[in-house]
Parts: sequence; C-alpha cells; structure tokens
Amino acid sequence: GAGVSQSPSNKVTEKGKDVELRCDPISGHTALYWYRQSLGQGLEFLIYFQGNSAPDKSGLPSDRFSAERTGGSVSTLTIQRTQQEDSAVYLCASSSNINQPQHFGDGTRLSIL
Amino acid sequence: GESVGLHLPTLSVQEGDNSIINCAYSNSASDYFIWYKQESGKGPQFIIDIRSNMDKRQGQRVTVLLNKTVKHLSLQIAATQPGDSAVYFCAENNDYKLSFGAGTTVTVRA
Repeated sequence: GAGVSQSPSNKVTEKGKDVELRCDPISGHTALYWYRQSLGQGLEFLIYFQGNSAPDKSGLPSDRFSAERTGGSVSTLTIQRTQQEDSAVYLCASSSNINQPQHFGDGTRLSIL
Repeated sequence: GESVGLHLPTLSVQEGDNSIINCAYSNSASDYFIWYKQESGKGPQFIIDIRSNMDKRQGQRVTVLLNKTVKHLSLQIAATQPGDSAVYFCAENNDYKLSFGAGTTVTVRA
C-alpha cells in the first residue's frame, strides 16, 4: 500500500533485551517522526528526521533509546536494555514537509515482561 | 503541561445526528492544527487540517472551526455513522512537532 508501514506490529520481549522497531514512510516523504503512545494517553513526541538527519532528538526518554534513518527512507528505533515502563505503542509518521499533515502507521505494540 | 486539550473525554451520539467535538489550545502562536481519528488497534488517521489564516474549513461530512480569539477548535461531523466511532484527537503542529491532547471517545448509538 501507499501508507506508512511499521514492523513488527506486535513485540513481546523480556526485560533487559534490546528491541528494534522499523518504519517505512510514504514514498517521497522527507520528514519522518517517531511518537510513543501509552495506554489511555495522548502521543509523546520522540524524534524527528529530515532526510537522514535528526535535528531534534529531545523527546527520546533516555540514552537507551536511539534512532537512525538511512537512504532518506526507512527508519529504525532501537531500545536497549528494555524496561517495563517502555511498554507502549510506538508510532511512526511521515510528511512531505514539516508544514504538511503527518500520516501515521499503525504502530508497534511493545510489551516488556 | 499539554498545550492542547479536549473539553470532554467521551461523547455519545445517536446515529444520523451531528457530532461536535471541542478542543482548547494554549499556545497563541500556533498556526497549524490537525484533527485525527484513531480506531482501536490502528494509528491516528488524518481527517482535516486548518491554518490560522482561516476560521473554517470543510471536508467530506466534516467541518473544522477555529476561533483564535479564545484559542478553541471544534470538529463537526455531519450525519454521524457507526464507522465514526473512534477516539478523536486535535493536534497542534508547531514546526514539526505535534502536540496531542488526551482525545475524545465518540460512541455512535444505533
């Protein structure tokens, strides 16, 4: 399809393990964003990419979180040494530029046991 | 605290009636607003947007109103259908960063 694609759709892992979440944005969208949505809460901004650069990483909760984007397309969000409080839905969005609407994928539901 | 908030957490509406969802924002410098719909297990879906140089914008069955004087947004859904049942978020777009409120859950009664 032509929308934002995220994988895996669900991930269950043990505390202390590392996880990698993938986002494939809409083709041609130069801006890419990661958000986190906790149960019953609104969205929390994590990081923004323009091309392969991340001008704003201010929303990353700790140094266990990192993200990269390659080829101006696919992005991965990595969480090291996962903790139970990392359990949430991680959403990726993309837009053609920062002044256009962001379009979201269906997210990765992460559960830390 | 959050810069965008919704007046009511839930809204129950009879099928066929019009729905109005309200939202207040606090940043008077904000100039771009977006409404999203989120169904269970899905990501937020873009509905309609409005910029601060407008006070009204219409889409298919939806209208967004912006009152900059009182920093208020509303989303009107005409002839509400069962498929409109979802959580609705207003979002404030400041440069690249979206600020969401907690959302309004709309339930459509048959």
